[in-house]
Order: sequence, then structure tokens, then C-alpha cells
Amino acid sequence: QKEVEQNSGPLSVPEGAIASLNCTYSDRGSQSFFWYRQYSGKSPELIMSIYSNGDKEDGRFTAQLNKASQYVSLLIRDSQPSDSATYLCAVGDAGGTSYGKLTFGQGTILTVHP
Amino acid sequence: ETGVTQTPRHLVMGMTNKKSLKCEQHLGHNAMYWYKQSAKKPLELMFVYNFKEQTENNSVPSRFSPECPNSSHLFLHLHTLQPEDSALYLCASSQGPSSGNTIYFGEGSWLTVV
Repeated sequence: QKEVEQNSGPLSVPEGAIASLNCTYSDRGSQSFFWYRQYSGKSPELIMSIYSNGDKEDGRFTAQLNKASQYVSLLIRDSQPSDSATYLCAVGDAGGTSYGKLTFGQGTILTVHP
Repeated sequence: ETGVTQTPRHLVMGMTNKKSLKCEQHLGHNAMYWYKQSAKKPLELMFVYNFKEQTENNSVPSRFSPECPNSSHLFLHLHTLQPEDSALYLCASSQGPSSGNTIYFGEGSWLTVV
């Protein structure tokens, strides 16, 4: 049973701070990793994807991947109240024929307070 | 606007009713999916279609019946559902056959079974 674990939170940070969201996964052969943001009552939207060990930066967001530790994280710099949402970690199956078979974590609720 | 359109957005149905959810993607993708999101549970993959052929049925009860007439349209036919089937049903699409390809979600259909 492939598992993706996230701290459900809620994680509360002050405006302007760095929010750190963490995710661990059980399938060592996983090859693709995604962070989705989901506002209440809305569908998930892609924030970041990462496939190789190390850091990947996009604006205020940085995804970090450590395959040896089976760990992926998302850092949000200069957090804004509009970042308040549930953040979903998703992990893709190994192999080139896995059609979007993402395993999702339960999500971490982030609250950014003014 | 995500390029994946779902209708209806909200549906209330009795346990003896038959209804259908519709999804259309305008992204030129080859693969389409149904995911289920229940309260307090991670997103669950239900079905995968690639070039309108079903490639994955994630042990979904037969009261859920998918139909994919072409690569742009996907339906989920519902009959004799149970109250525990009440959830957000998300359609998604992706470009190719690898889980490395990003999946894009529609806005979802909120289903309530009474």
C-alpha cells in the first residue's frame, strides 16, 4: 500500500514569514512529486512539480526533494493571507506507463494571519 | 479557468436515482481521470482513460460506471448510490502516459446522496 504522509496541521504562520510544509512517501521508486493548493470549496491547482533531488524555485515557492530520505517539502516565503489553503502533496508511480496515478497525502491546512 | 470543465457543479440525488457527471477538457490531452475527494480523506483515484481506453479501475464499486466516448469527454454514470458516496468528484486530464506529466483538475462536482 503506497502511502503519502503529511501533517494535517493546521499550520499557522504570521504574514511575511516562511511556511514550511513537509511530506514523506513510502514507495522508494517514485519518480514525480507535486504540490497542489486547494482553497476551501475549490479544486486542487498545481503549485510545483519536482523530479530530481535538490531544490526547485518558482517565485515565492521552493520545492525540495530528497529521494534517499523519501521526503519532499514546500517552502513559501513572504507568506500572504491569500496563501491560506490546504496544500496537497502528490507522488507519482514509477514507470513510464503510469497514467497520472498520483497518490495524494491528506493535505496540510495552512493559515497565514495578518 | 483550468481547461477542464465539469457539470453539474452540484448534484443532490436519492439512492434510487440515476444521474451522470460530465467532464470536458479543452487542453488537447490524451488521458482523463476521475478522482474522489471525501471529507477527512486523501484524494482517491477512481478511473483512468488513455486515448478513450480504460487503463485503470481502482476497485471502484459497479454503481459508478465511467464512459469515455473520445479523448475530450468523460462521464461518470451514477446509480443506486449510498449516502457514503457523497463527496467531491474531480475530473482531471494530462497530456501523456507518464505520471511525470502534470494532471489538471476541473472544478469538481459536489455530490450529495440522500
